Amino acid sequence: QIQLVQSGPELKKPGESVKISCKASGYTFTDYAMHWVKQVPGKGLKWMGWINTYTGKPTYADDFKGRFVFSLEASASTANLQISNLKNEDTANVFCARFAGSRRNWFAYWGQGTLVTVSS
Amino acid sequence: DIVMTQSPSSLAVSAGETVTINCKSSQSLLSSGNQKNYLAWYQQKPGQSPKLLIYLASTRESGVPDRFIGSGSGTDFTLTISSVQAEDLADYYCQQHYSYPFTFGSGTKLEIK
Repeated sequence: QIQLVQSGPELKKPGESVKISCKASGYTFTDYAMHWVKQVPGKGLKWMGWINTYTGKPTYADDFKGRFVFSLEASASTANLQISNLKNEDTANVFCARFAGSRRNWFAYWGQGTLVTVSS
Repeated sequence: DIVMTQSPSSLAVSAGETVTINCKSSQSLLSSGNQKNYLAWYQQKPGQSPKLLIYLASTRESGVPDRFIGSGSGTDFTLTISSVQAEDLADYYCQQHYSYPFTFGSGTKLEIK
């Protein structure tokens, strides 16, 4: 069965960097893009962007340009999100998510989420 | 960007009642090519990741109970939960999957009295 398994919670200080991973299984990793979604605790969902797992090309939503980097370890079926120069407002649960299928662009598969806490 | 406006922000009902959640988009989600509305609904239970309930405005995801009904077209959409059960305690979000950037509604918190 299709699974997205994310790395564990992170506690960081402002100005530090963090790298979150999302390991996919149960399908051919390069067949489907990987998306990232942010959720501030107690708040709603915000789409961060996606990475083409075949070409490695990332696309970022406007609010996530600059300090955010999507990358791949395709041989390990893993997508990564790195956030640099962390700020308090980066404290959030971050999910990776995948479409249901080709031309079925709704999020049928989600990782369990990775909580990033930024605090001095 | 397409703005999704969801209401109400919260509601409390007794088990067995029917619930209606509304979602309005700032532009039409109806594709002229295939006449389908690109609107999805998700359920997020406490401490869990979102779960897909409905896609293309009214198609129930496999395994989702038939008490969850999506309806609407164009810019106005509704999620109806008939005969609410205690296990339906959750936050519910609409999301447009019509165009990038994908955008979500602000969410509706459903509480069971």
